[in-house]
Amino acid sequence: DAKTTQPTSMDCAEGRAANLPCNHSTISGNEYVYWYRQIHSQGPQYIIHGLKNNETNEMASLIITEDRKSSTLILPHATLRDTAVYYCIVRGGGGTSYGKLTFGQGTILTVHP
Amino acid sequence: KAGVTQTPRYLIKTRGQQVTLSCSPISGHRSVSWYQQTPGQGLQFLFEYFSETQRNKGNFPGRFSGRQFSNSRSEMNVSTLELGDSALYLCASSLVTGAEAFFGQGTRLTVV
Repeated sequence: DAKTTQPTSMDCAEGRAANLPCNHSTISGNEYVYWYRQIHSQGPQYIIHGLKNNETNEMASLIITEDRKSSTLILPHATLRDTAVYYCIVRGGGGTSYGKLTFGQGTILTVHP
Repeated sequence: KAGVTQTPRYLIKTRGQQVTLSCSPISGHRSVSWYQQTPGQGLQFLFEYFSETQRNKGNFPGRFSGRQFSNSRSEMNVSTLELGDSALYLCASSLVTGAEAFFGQGTRLTVV
């Protein structure tokens, strides 16, 4: 699976949009971009995923660049409960590693009042 | 619907003992994966089961094993526990292999 690079930490004011970047320059054509988050001492929570088109759900939006080498997770109106570690993961579309998620260090997002 | 259930939530074992952790996936999900999380190594993949067959295995010693039952429930076993096995063990279930995974709250294992 392709490696991802994320900033170690980011801050955001409550009520503002949080934009979390992720670089995945070695992504291949059949690999998806997944985002998970982990609030302290809980299991990771699935947020969103995409292949090449932008995606939106009730939690967030995912913007993937046209060359697919980077993406941005957008939390439109961050709240204090969005404070968590956010993981960007590139996951294969097939093969032996298909069922596995490779977690990096993630981005610690802190939402301030 | 009910989420992924892991039992027990907390466990304390002595070095050299063995331990079995249990995971009940979301109803209808047939894929179960296990992960270990430690402060030093982060979240690491242990193995994945689908329809009672191990499909993928991470880079862990043979002391770590697992199985899946016909009802998709899964167990993982760690034999001859070492202090370094102290970790949060997380189970995730998916409808099928490769679909989005939903995690349980984890089992916190402490080896003393």
